[in-house]
Amino acid sequence: SYELTQPPSVSVSPGQTASITCSGDELGDQYACWYQQKAGQSPVLVIYQNTKRPSGIPERFSGSNSGNTATLTISGTQAMDEADYYCQAWDSSTAVFGGGTKLTVL
Amino acid sequence: QVQLHQWGAGLLKPSETLSLTCAVYGGSFSGYYWSWIRQPPGKGLEWIGEINHSGSTTYNPSLKSRVIISVDRSKNQMSVKLGSVTAADTALYYCARRGRAHGDPFDYWGQGTLVTVSS
Repeated sequence: SYELTQPPSVSVSPGQTASITCSGDELGDQYACWYQQKAGQSPVLVIYQNTKRPSGIPERFSGSNSGNTATLTISGTQAMDEADYYCQAWDSSTAVFGGGTKLTVL
Repeated sequence: QVQLHQWGAGLLKPSETLSLTCAVYGGSFSGYYWSWIRQPPGKGLEWIGEINHSGSTTYNPSLKSRVIISVDRSKNQMSVKLGSVTAADTALYYCARRGRAHGDPFDYWGQGTLVTVSS
């Protein structure tokens, strides 16, 4: 079965840039998206179709996808960005999620 | 504004059947795919399966033998049943919407329902 691999944790200082990677076989050949999940809340879509931001998502969130790796980048990270982040793609007709990355802003 | 509201039994015994329902408010039901996704306590997200408005379903192969997802178009609702539950099925269960195109993301999510399986 298809797997997406994320680092379990990433730490960043306020105002700095955070990068979270998601690796999967030939992931760059399909669309990847990213979800933010804060403690006790439902996931929220922050990036779709590799690079697009839904309405209401701050410009500091951006994405890329090439080769075997998709990357979520948060520029000028704020304390409110502390959350778990999940990548997601499709394996044929099955949705697949990465294991999640806990972003700590300290 | 689209809202997904879900409900169902929160405590089950091993071997029982999990049953949850998700109602869609404020948006079109047809033209979208409707999924169930679960999250064990402290763990990541797992896609269970999906259904479109006409009733066509796709399931995660790992759960396919135990899952049935159905739709009630007259009520803008969809439901999931998961049979023969065990403690490993204890999780927060979400319903979610995605567009029709392959690769469309899950753009609206329900509030989540915690289901605990314990004897």
